[in-house]
Amino acid sequence: SAVISQKPSRDICQRGTSLTIQCQVDSQVTMMFWYRQQPGQSLTLIATANQGSEATYESGFVIDKFPISRPNLTFSTLTVSNMSPEDSSIYLCSVVPAGRNTEAFFGQGTRLTVV
Amino acid sequence: DAKTTQPNSMESNEEEPVHLPCNHSTISGTDYIHWYRQLPSQGPEYVIHGLTSNVNNRMASLAIAEDRKSSTLILHRATLRDAAVYYCILTPFTGTASKLTFGTGTRLQVTL
Repeated sequence: SAVISQKPSRDICQRGTSLTIQCQVDSQVTMMFWYRQQPGQSLTLIATANQGSEATYESGFVIDKFPISRPNLTFSTLTVSNMSPEDSSIYLCSVVPAGRNTEAFFGQGTRLTVV
Repeated sequence: DAKTTQPNSMESNEEEPVHLPCNHSTISGTDYIHWYRQLPSQGPEYVIHGLTSNVNNRMASLAIAEDRKSSTLILHRATLRDAAVYYCILTPFTGTASKLTFGTGTRLQVTL
């Protein structure tokens, strides 16, 4: 299995500011992803965090708004930039471990409220 | 991409079996069927997955229709801890759990 530490667990931010969310895994993983869960909704994939290269974004998500870094095989960050109240969501990190690629593991999520 | 359809909600009594259905009539021959669940205030967790044959693990069983157009997640004895949103998800080709597409899921309520 993979144990994921996501920080912060929650935050309240002013509109127009940015927040960086960290995702740390206890083992090397092949794939890391970032999802968003808007209030009362299901999860939506934001992007795939690629180690050593630019992230791959899903339709409707852009790098300028959600810059992602993945400097190594166990760590990634997601930044929510120039926030507005519509960005209030839970942001979740997900990983697929090497050698166990049929099972995804999720962090507890970061609950973001923008005021 | 093939879509899945699940009931919005279901109820069960504790210690009784629960059958959670999922329709995926446009499934392709190489799509795997995955189930995840999301407990309150937590990230989703893997439950089970399969391709054609029925599958069992310590958490649940997965029954797949012969034509693969539907499947059923079976919790053999529901407990209060099983109250969660259950998601049925199709993944292509190898069954790799990458880029999961979550639908609306089924919210399971378990009562005493």
